[in-house]
Amino acid sequence: ETGVTQSPTHLIKTRGQQVTLRCSSQSGHNTVSWYQQALGQGPQFIFQYYREEENGRGNFPPRFSGLQFPNYSSELNVNALELDDSALYLCASSLGAGASSYEQYFGPGTRLTVT
Amino acid sequence: AQSVTQLGSHVSVSEGALVLLRCNYSSSVPPYLFWYVQYPNQGLQLLLKYTTGATLVKGINGFEAEFKKSETSFHLTKPSAHMSDAAEYFCAVTRPRTNTGNQFYFGTGTSLTVIP
Repeated sequence: ETGVTQSPTHLIKTRGQQVTLRCSSQSGHNTVSWYQQALGQGPQFIFQYYREEENGRGNFPPRFSGLQFPNYSSELNVNALELDDSALYLCASSLGAGASSYEQYFGPGTRLTVT
Repeated sequence: AQSVTQLGSHVSVSEGALVLLRCNYSSSVPPYLFWYVQYPNQGLQLLLKYTTGATLVKGINGFEAEFKKSETSFHLTKPSAHMSDAAEYFCAVTRPRTNTGNQFYFGTGTSLTVIP
C-alpha cells in the first residue's frame, strides 16, 4: 500500500509568483484535503476535494485554488504569492464517506518559502 | 463552530514518567476528536481517534485518551514516557457532515520534551 506523497519537498519562490504543489493520495482514497501549517502553529484547513469536486473550504482567499484528478491525485495552486504564504503545506487523503473518512493520512508536506 | 484549545505549548517530562497533554474542545454538535503526532520535518501521524462508543480510546505507541463530554476535554496520556515520544502533538476536532468529507480544526500543538 502506497502512502501519501507530496512534491516538491522544498520550494523557494519570490513574492508575486505562482506555485503549484502536488499530492498523490493513498491507494483507494478518494478524498484529499490541503492544510497550511505556519511555523509554530497547527495546520489550518484550506480546502477539500472529493471525487474531483471541492467539498469544503476554509478561510483562505481565492488565490488559493485546487484540482483533483480522476486518479484522485491533487494540486494546490497559489497565485500572487505573499510573504505570509511561507509555510508547510500538508496534503491528507481519506476514504470519502462514512466513519473511515475521519481517518486522514498525511503526507510529509511541502515547505514553501516566499522571499 | 468547532475549535480546539491545547493547554501548554511545551511540556517536559522525565523518561518513565506519566505523559499528560491537555485538549479542550468546543463544538455545537457531538464531536469527533483526534490526536496526531508530528516528528521534525515530517507530516502528521494519527495516534488515536474518538468517534462514537467507548469514551476511553487506545492508540498506537501506548497512548490513550478519554472523551469527557461534561468537561469538553480529550486529554492524551501515556503511563511511561520514552525518549522516542519527543515530538509535537496536535489535537483536532471535526464535525460529521451529512454528505461526505469533513473539515478538521487543529489546536496549536504541544511540544513534548522527554528528559533522560
